[in-house]
Amino acid sequence: GQNIDQPTEMTATEGAIVQINCTYQTSGFNGLFWYQQHAGEAPTFLSYNVLDGLEEKGRFSSFLSRSKGYSYLLLKELQMKDSASYLCAVPRTGGFKTIFGAGTRLFVKA
Amino acid sequence: KAGVTQTPRYLIKTRGQQVTLSCSPISGHRSVSWYQQTPGQGLQFLFEYFSETQRNKGNFPGRFSGRQFSNSRSEMNVSTLELGDSALYLCASSRNRDRGGTGELFFGEGSRLTVL
Repeated sequence: GQNIDQPTEMTATEGAIVQINCTYQTSGFNGLFWYQQHAGEAPTFLSYNVLDGLEEKGRFSSFLSRSKGYSYLLLKELQMKDSASYLCAVPRTGGFKTIFGAGTRLFVKA
Repeated sequence: KAGVTQTPRYLIKTRGQQVTLSCSPISGHRSVSWYQQTPGQGLQFLFEYFSETQRNKGNFPGRFSGRQFSNSRSEMNVSTLELGDSALYLCASSRNRDRGGTGELFFGEGSRLTVL
């Protein structure tokens, strides 16, 4: 399968914590990426998980469970500049083809 | 280190015309991928090139083609343009996994194509 599912939109308040979920199906696993894309800009790399567990990087953390085909991106101490789309992505076929979910648009309100 | 460079940034074409987009990857990156991004469909994989060879192709009609040169620069071409081809076309380069890369994609700013 090629499905990657993530919520379409989320809204959160400045200073709060938000969790963006991603479920995927794959016949072979080469890791999972999260990218951030601000409106009108190119996607930029946020995190990469290849082993189960939590990877923390500043205000952003990403979790992976390979057995469940599940990942989440955790954003802490939300700032207005975090308003963006967050894309879950999975490399396929030996890593030569990265497939993206439709993205989750996060709105951070004051 | 210069990033991924795409040209042109914006272009307007009419139905039936053809268009060529160019991408220069980050120096040392030999893998180049192309994506189409539209508001309704998100990022759709077009194709990936490595050492002048297309290793993978997405589910797009034959009007969409590409190539890669010996210096890793890549071009994609869309012939017989249709209104639905209006989109942002993104190029991304990555360092190969056998060179220690994870497959992380570095994107260019994109070429925004409008078909009238």
